[in-house]
Amino acid sequence: DGGITQSPKYLFRKEGQNVTLSCEQNLNHDAMYWYRQDPGQGLRLIYYSQIVNDFQKGDIAEGYSVSREKKESFPLTVTSAQKNPTAFYLCASSSTGRYGEKLFFGSGTQLSVL
Amino acid sequence: EDQVTQSPEALRLQEGESSSLNCSYTVSGLRGLFWYRQDPGKGPEFLFTLYSAGEEKEKERLKATLTKKESFLHITAPKPEDSATYLCAVQGNILTGGGNKLTFGTGTQLKVEL
Repeated sequence: DGGITQSPKYLFRKEGQNVTLSCEQNLNHDAMYWYRQDPGQGLRLIYYSQIVNDFQKGDIAEGYSVSREKKESFPLTVTSAQKNPTAFYLCASSSTGRYGEKLFFGSGTQLSVL
Repeated sequence: EDQVTQSPEALRLQEGESSSLNCSYTVSGLRGLFWYRQDPGKGPEFLFTLYSAGEEKEKERLKATLTKKESFLHITAPKPEDSATYLCAVQGNILTGGGNKLTFGTGTQLKVEL
C-alpha cells in the first residue's frame, strides 16, 4: 500500500542534542512538508520541498534543518538551537505542490525533551 | 495574514444527534478550503476540498459547505466511530515559487456517545 512512513513514533531529546526524524513516501509525490502540532494550536509549517535538492522555509523554520536528496525521503533535524522542541511532528506529501492539492499525512512522531 | 477559527472547541453528541461544526476564515484569495479528520496520536486524514462559495461535498454522514466567510461540516446521525478532531485549513496566496501552504485552525474535538 502507498503511503507515508514516519519513524520513530516516539523520540526523546537530551539537552544540547540534535535529533533526526525520518519521513519516507512511496506515493511518487514531488512535494513534501513538515508540520509541527502543539496542543491548542493549529498545525504550523516548518519546511517544504517541491523537488529534489530544493526546499523552502515555512513559518517556524528556526532551529530546524532538512534535506531532500531523494524524491521519497525528507528527513527533519531538530537542532539544539530549537529551545522548545516538545511537539507532535507530522510529515506530509502532495502530488506536485501546486495549489488546491490535498495533503497526505504520516502517522507522526512525538518528540519530548528529557 | 490568513486566519482560521473553528468552533466549538469541543462538542459532545448523542448517537443520532445531528449537528454542525463551523470554520470561519479570512484569506487573501481563497485557493481551497480543506477538511481533515484526526484521530488521537495519528496524522490527519483528508475529507474534502472546497474551492468556491456555494460548493457542497458529501461523504457518508458528513457534508461540507462553503460561503465567502465560513465553512460548515454537517454531521447527520453521527455514530461513535465519528469521534475525532476535525481540522479546517485554507490555502490563500501562493508563496513565491509555488507551494501548497495551508493555514490550519485549532480543530473541533467531537465525541459521539451511545
